[in-house]
Amino acid sequence: LAKTTQPISMDSYEGQEVNITCSHNNIATNDYITWYQQFPSQGPRFIIQGYKTKVTNEVASLFIPADRKSSTLSLPRVSLSDTAVYYCLVGGTNAGKSTFGDGTTLTVKP
Amino acid sequence: NAGVTQTPKFQVLKTGQSMTLQCAQDMNHNSMYWYRQDPGMGLRLIYYSASEGTTDKGEVPNGYNVSRLNKREFSLRLESAAPSQTSVYFCASSARQGSGNSPLHFGNGTRLTVT
Repeated sequence: LAKTTQPISMDSYEGQEVNITCSHNNIATNDYITWYQQFPSQGPRFIIQGYKTKVTNEVASLFIPADRKSSTLSLPRVSLSDTAVYYCLVGGTNAGKSTFGDGTTLTVKP
Repeated sequence: NAGVTQTPKFQVLKTGQSMTLQCAQDMNHNSMYWYRQDPGMGLRLIYYSASEGTTDKGEVPNGYNVSRLNKREFSLRLESAAPSQTSVYFCASSARQGSGNSPLHFGNGTRLTVT
C-alpha cells in the first residue's frame, strides 16, 4: 500500500502562501497523487491531482519532484475560509491499494 | 445535480441492532466506495465496487456487508452493530476504479453512534 505521511497541523495568516508536503516513499509507477480538502461535517472535496512535475488550477498548485517520493500542495494567498483538513491520497487503478493519511489541519488566522 | 447522496445523516443504534446505510450517485460513475472516519483520523476504506456487479474488501471490512444494487446505488449493512463501529461513514464514487486519474466524489456522511 502507498502509505502517506503529512504534518499533523500548520498555522498561517491571511494572505500568505501555504505549502503542505506529503511523503509517499513507496509510490508505484502508475500511482497518481491527489489532494482533498475537508471542512467539519462535510465529505472531502477534490482540490488537485498530478502525476509528475507541476500542476496548477484555479485554487492550488501541486509540485512533484522527479523521484515522486513526495509532493507539495501550494495554496496561494490563503483566507480564513481555507481553514480545513487537507489529505493527500496516492493511488492508481486499484482502489484497494490506496490509503488516506491522517491529514494536515490548516488553521488560517486573521 | 446532487452528486453523492447519503441517507440517513444521523443514526443511533443499540449494540446488536442492524441497519443499512444508503448511497446514491447521479454522475454515471462506474466505481463506488464506503469509508469510515474516526475522530481525528483519516478515512479508511471498508468496501468498494469497481463496477456494477462487483464488490471487494478494503482495509477494514469486518462487521460490514455491501450491495451494489445498480450503477447508481451502493449500500452498506451492519448486521450486528458494535460500539467500535461508532464513526462517520462516507460514500464516494469515481468515474473509474481507483483514485488514479479519476478523483473521488464524496457524500456528506452518515454519523453513526452505537451505544
